[in-house]
Amino acid sequence: GAVVSQHPSWVICKSGTSVKIECRSLDFQATTMFWYRQFPKQSLMLMATSNEGSKATYEQGVEKDKFLINHASLTLSTLTVTSAHPEDSSFYICSARDGAGGQINEQFFGPGTRLTVL
Amino acid sequence: GENVEQHPSTLSVQEGDSAVIKCTYSDSASNYFPWYKQELGKRPQLIIDIRSNVGEKKDQRIAVTLNKTAKHFSLHITETQPEDSAVYFCAASIGWSTLTFGKGTMLLVSP
Repeated sequence: GAVVSQHPSWVICKSGTSVKIECRSLDFQATTMFWYRQFPKQSLMLMATSNEGSKATYEQGVEKDKFLINHASLTLSTLTVTSAHPEDSSFYICSARDGAGGQINEQFFGPGTRLTVL
Repeated sequence: GENVEQHPSTLSVQEGDSAVIKCTYSDSASNYFPWYKQELGKRPQLIIDIRSNVGEKKDQRIAVTLNKTAKHFSLHITETQPEDSAVYFCAASIGWSTLTFGKGTMLLVSP
């Protein structure tokens, strides 16, 4: 149980285009999902917290108009990188928290999406 | 906000030896401390976690200890194997708040 999928697993796009990444909880309902960014040999940096049915909460320094997050259902959150530039190239990973998990803040991670902007 | 420091950044051991990774946190209200293992290009996977009402937790070759007074927690891996080689991240959170991750430790286990 507690499986999180992400699609696509990798994507290459041209500078100036937009890319949408999907994050799905397959066997549980996730009222909260998180989007992280990870550069090579670095830690996971939280970009935003996505709550089902409400606006996402962005971390300081993350442009909400550039990284659009939509959490329209209890099993799906999407991250859209708008007007992508080479510096947006990174590994994007989502995680989901089981809404029925009680007081445990256990998060389950998706497999990640490797974005390369040319 | 919470700040998590992790040491060492790299750790090389011989197969069969023990490995210890340490983390400190800044917010005394933190009450959940997970450890994740991440292999190259793959997702972080939870290997063990501990809550603030427990001082130690063990799962086969892996154990985590928590010292709330000193605000530090450690991951202990015994009888290391080459397949234990990966990057390990500690994290801390308060209740249902976001996880704050350490910078990671690259563990290399040589046969």
